[in-house]
Amino acid sequence: QSVLTQPPSVSAAPGQKVTISCSGSSSNIGNNYVSWYQQLPGTAPKLLIYDNNKRPSGIPDRFSGSKSGTSATLGITGLQTGDEADYYCGTWDSSLSAVFGTGTKVTVL
Amino acid sequence: QVQLQESGPGLVKPSQTLSLTCTVSGGSISSGGYYWSWIRQHPGKGLEWIGYIYYSGSTYYNPSLKSRVTISVDTSKNQFSLKLSSVTAADTAVYYCAGRMLGEYYFDYWGQGTLVTVSS
Repeated sequence: QSVLTQPPSVSAAPGQKVTISCSGSSSNIGNNYVSWYQQLPGTAPKLLIYDNNKRPSGIPDRFSGSKSGTSATLGITGLQTGDEADYYCGTWDSSLSAVFGTGTKVTVL
Repeated sequence: QVQLQESGPGLVKPSQTLSLTCTVSGGSISSGGYYWSWIRQHPGKGLEWIGYIYYSGSTYYNPSLKSRVTISVDTSKNQFSLKLSSVTAADTAVYYCAGRMLGEYYFDYWGQGTLVTVSS
C-alpha cells in the first residue's frame, strides 16, 4: 500500500554519513510537507523530521531533511550504532490521506 | 506530555469486527488541538494510515478501507476507538494510535502499538 518509494536498506560504518531517498509524485510529495520517522526495533515510530527539514526538540542535528520536487531525502551524519532502525518518510496525498514510504533499514557496519 | 495507549483483543476471528481503543493521557481530546488517527503496520511491512477523528466527531478514512472502518470518540473518557469489520488474515497487524496537531502534517504522538492477529 506504500505509495512512496524508499531503498530497502542502506549501511555505513560508524561516524560516516548515509542518505535515504523518498520518491513520490506531484499528488503527494510534490504538493505537501514531508516528515520522517525512526522506528527502533520493537518500538513505535518516532517523529524525526517535519515540514521537510525541521527537527523536533531533542532530535540531534546529525539528522537532516530536504525536499526537491517530488522527492525527499533524509541524511544522517556521524552514524552511531543507536541509529540502527527502520526509517519511513510520510506525507499526504490528493485524496487527503496520509501516505508513507516503503521503509529503509539502516545498518551500522 | 501527551501519552497514548492502545487496548483491545489481540486475537480476532475471521469475518468478525476488530475493536480497539486508544486512551489519551496528559492532554484533553476536547481541547481540539489535535486530530487523532489510527495507523497499522503489517508484520515486517510499512505503515498504513487508516483514518482520523476530531473531537467533534468528524472523521476521514483511507479510501481503501473506508467501507469497513468506523472511528469514534468518547470525550468523557478521553478515548477514541477503531472498529474494522469483516476482518481477514490480511488485517493482521500492529495497530497504532497517533496524534497530529491541527494545521500540521506530521504525527508527533504515537501509542506503543498493539498486535492484532486474525485467526480462527
